[in-house]
Amino acid sequence: DQQVKQNSPSLSVQEGRISILNCDYTNSMFDYFLWYKKYPAEGPTFLISISSIKDKNEDGRFTVFLNKSAKHLSLHIVPSQPGDSAVYFCAASVISNFGNEKLTFGTGTRLTIIP
Amino acid sequence: ETGVTQTPRHLVMGMTNKKSLKCEQHLGHNAMYWYKQSAKKPLELMFVYSLEERVENNSVPSRFSPECPNSSHLFLHLHTLQPEDSALYLCASSPGVSYNEQFFGPGTRLTVL
Repeated sequence: DQQVKQNSPSLSVQEGRISILNCDYTNSMFDYFLWYKKYPAEGPTFLISISSIKDKNEDGRFTVFLNKSAKHLSLHIVPSQPGDSAVYFCAASVISNFGNEKLTFGTGTRLTIIP
Repeated sequence: ETGVTQTPRHLVMGMTNKKSLKCEQHLGHNAMYWYKQSAKKPLELMFVYSLEERVENNSVPSRFSPECPNSSHLFLHLHTLQPEDSALYLCASSPGVSYNEQFFGPGTRLTVL
């Protein structure tokens, strides 16, 4: 049972346009959401996050939107640049039975920016 | 060295071999994690350590044995693995287990023949 879903395995966007990556979740206990970016042969790197008590967080070209009623979040990148080509993972956090914050990841979306 | 490092980056082993994966974090963090990423599957949390104490074991088979000798080093000892254990093994660290943001190493690509 996948609690965090990224239904689009890949996305291609023209350079300069907006990239929108989507993520859906099922567990209403998630209290924090994160986006990670991964280049080939590297580990995932943290990009941006949002608390469940907010609906928007912005950091430069990156904005994350959270719609709790729909259990949906999205990452907007504008304008998209060639260096944004990577795999993007959505992750959601909840306090586990052991007291630690536990991340549950989606399967990722491969974003390709076309010059 | 900065961040989180992992060695080796690639490993091929037979089912009867014993090998170890090593992770080192240079961030002064107190929590370390092992994840497994199989093809077309999401990252799966395997183990969590806080100040060298194991906090969580996510129903991982005993052929995977973690070791955390200090807060900067984490090992994953492997023995009698199966071909389905072939995957990318990622190590991560965070300031503490109550922090959401984790910092990942580049991973070890493991192939079990």
